[in-house]
Amino acid sequence: AQTVTQSQPEMSVQEAETVTLSCTYDTSENNYYLFWYKQPPSRQMILVIRQEAYKQQNATENRFSVNFQKAAKSFSLKISDSQLGDTAMYFCAFMKEGGSYIPTFGRGTSLIVHP
Amino acid sequence: EADIYQTPRYLVIGTGKKITLECSQTMGHDKMYWYQQDPGMELHLIHYSYGVNSTEKGDLSSESTVSRIRTEHFPLTLESARPSHTSQYLCASRGFGRGGYNEQFFGPGTRLTVL
Repeated sequence: AQTVTQSQPEMSVQEAETVTLSCTYDTSENNYYLFWYKQPPSRQMILVIRQEAYKQQNATENRFSVNFQKAAKSFSLKISDSQLGDTAMYFCAFMKEGGSYIPTFGRGTSLIVHP
Repeated sequence: EADIYQTPRYLVIGTGKKITLECSQTMGHDKMYWYQQDPGMELHLIHYSYGVNSTEKGDLSSESTVSRIRTEHFPLTLESARPSHTSQYLCASRGFGRGGYNEQFFGPGTRLTVL
């Protein structure tokens, strides 16, 4: 079974600064996907960024980028130029390729962006 | 935001009541899911469906049941609510989004309190 660990229950950052959220996972699979989801207060969870394990290049989406270290089984999320709207719970998730396509989620990191 | 809806958004009921949490999506997705979300914990999968007349139990033991009579509708029923059922329930569907990725889309959630 896969496990996903987010070791930072809470993080805070000043507006316009950069913050990195950590995520590690444990799996024996070679082909899989990794995700970061964002859940703002009282709003729907949305996908922020995804990474295919076979790709060496780190995924980026505007101010969001990941540092994917396959050998270390690490998948951190970097948010640059933090904005107040980035305040949310962030969940890291793992999904193996094939099978049921059901992701395993971490416990989440609560990020607060201060003005 | 994703075209997936949940009603009610908030519900407070007494022990022993039968309740149904509604979930519907307008994206034509075959795969749908129910998760239970508690603060500081992973999202736990309680039920999923691969299409009409297909339902499976997830990894979290639950006294709930689901049905999938129509593609767009995936209701969750608790026959006899207990205080231990107090939680947030998230519905999700899987399909291709604007970015071309096969991803999960989440509803806004139902926050259930059983007194």
